[in-house]
Amino acid sequence: KAGVTQTPRYLIKTRGQQVTLSCSPISGHRSVSWYQQTPGQGLQFLFEYFSETQRNKGNFPGRFSGRQFSNSRSEMNVSTLELGDSALYLCASSSTQGSTEAFFGQGTRLTVV
Amino acid sequence: QQPVQSPQAVILREGEDAVINCSSSKALYSVHWYRQKHGEAPVFLMILLKGGEQKGHEKISASFNEKKQQSSLYLTASQLSYSGTYFCGFSGSRLTFGEGTQLTVNP
Repeated sequence: KAGVTQTPRYLIKTRGQQVTLSCSPISGHRSVSWYQQTPGQGLQFLFEYFSETQRNKGNFPGRFSGRQFSNSRSEMNVSTLELGDSALYLCASSSTQGSTEAFFGQGTRLTVV
Repeated sequence: QQPVQSPQAVILREGEDAVINCSSSKALYSVHWYRQKHGEAPVFLMILLKGGEQKGHEKISASFNEKKQQSSLYLTASQLSYSGTYFCGFSGSRLTFGEGTQLTVNP
């Protein structure tokens, strides 16, 4: 069974640009959550999608957006990049919402210069 | 609101025990525990769904007190492979993680 796949693994962008990250969940999983990980901040929840609908959103500015496709693949977009957006972005998939095991991808390391 | 984990860091010698605590100010439905090794993705350890129920994974077990909204992770006879950052996650409408506890096991 293939795991969660995130692409690309590494990205370097310039301030002001926008970026799109992709996450392919485990086959059959319909829930995809996105997290931002920075040193000392742990895993900050960005949003969760289930069956193409955003079910929950964290406390991030509107520059952070996402979507989920009918095949459960999800994309996350960050517009007008700031230096502080440099982080590891992790996506996690689970079969349902809430209280089930979540499987994480390897993440996308975004560096904003 | 983010769960609060303590301690932030702990250093052990192989064979020693450790406890990592996690608490929340909100009512909880379940608690998840994950371990992340440096440069790798977080890996699921266990989930606790019932109050007071203890679940185990090898020599790692955990408890969940619903009334106190607290969970503790117990690492017994630690091994070098236990080194990493441990995250607790509380599930309500979303899975929210604490800041992590960095555990280092030395020979």
